Amino acid sequence: QLQLQESGPGLVKPSETLSLTCIVSGGSISSSSDYWGWIRQPPGKGLEWIANIYYSGSTYYNPSLKSRVTISVDTSKNQFSLKLSSVTAADTAVYYCARYDFWNGSFFDSWGQGTLVIVSS
Amino acid sequence: SALTQPASVSGSPGQSITISCTGTSSDVGSHNLVSWYQQHPGKAPKLLIYEGIKRPSGVSNRFSGSKSGNTASLTISGLQAEDEADYSCCSYAGSTTWVFGGGTKLTVL
Repeated sequence: QLQLQESGPGLVKPSETLSLTCIVSGGSISSSSDYWGWIRQPPGKGLEWIANIYYSGSTYYNPSLKSRVTISVDTSKNQFSLKLSSVTAADTAVYYCARYDFWNGSFFDSWGQGTLVIVSS
Repeated sequence: SALTQPASVSGSPGQSITISCTGTSSDVGSHNLVSWYQQHPGKAPKLLIYEGIKRPSGVSNRFSGSKSGNTASLTISGLQAEDEADYSCCSYAGSTTWVFGGGTKLTVL
């Protein structure tokens, strides 16, 4: 059974860079049918797609965040990562990593438990 | 920008409710790639519907999806107390980008 687990600091200072990693277990991140993505949810608000990556390194970004976001993949460690620069309080959110299956129907079907990141000095 | 969903809906046990998800001709209207997610408080989203109308194995047939023009809809029939949760839609928006709705809180009265 595929499992995803986010890890990273829960508190980041304004103007600094938020860094998170998602470890994938129970399956290969090199699957040809999947993207791997980051989605966030500010407290009390809706979900927001941030970015997806393919195991080959192809990246896809939310245009509204593209200038500040970098997503990367490490197939040797079966994990992928997110960096969000110049954070402000508006970036405070629960960050989820998820698998996007585009071969069998186009959906996010496996999610991590989420990790709360607070931006505060 | 985000797909538009009602902030809240409510219904009594046994009733049916429908949640709408309105986008544009660039996302919902152009692609049959709308998915719906259920999210209980403090939990990760769970896939309910994909490609607008299809249910993954293990999802109750009380959940169904449809689409007309730029609006997708999720219908829950035979409401149960356990259905009380937040529901979000997601659509492929072209150019390998995706967009979510703002989420709808379902209250079972």
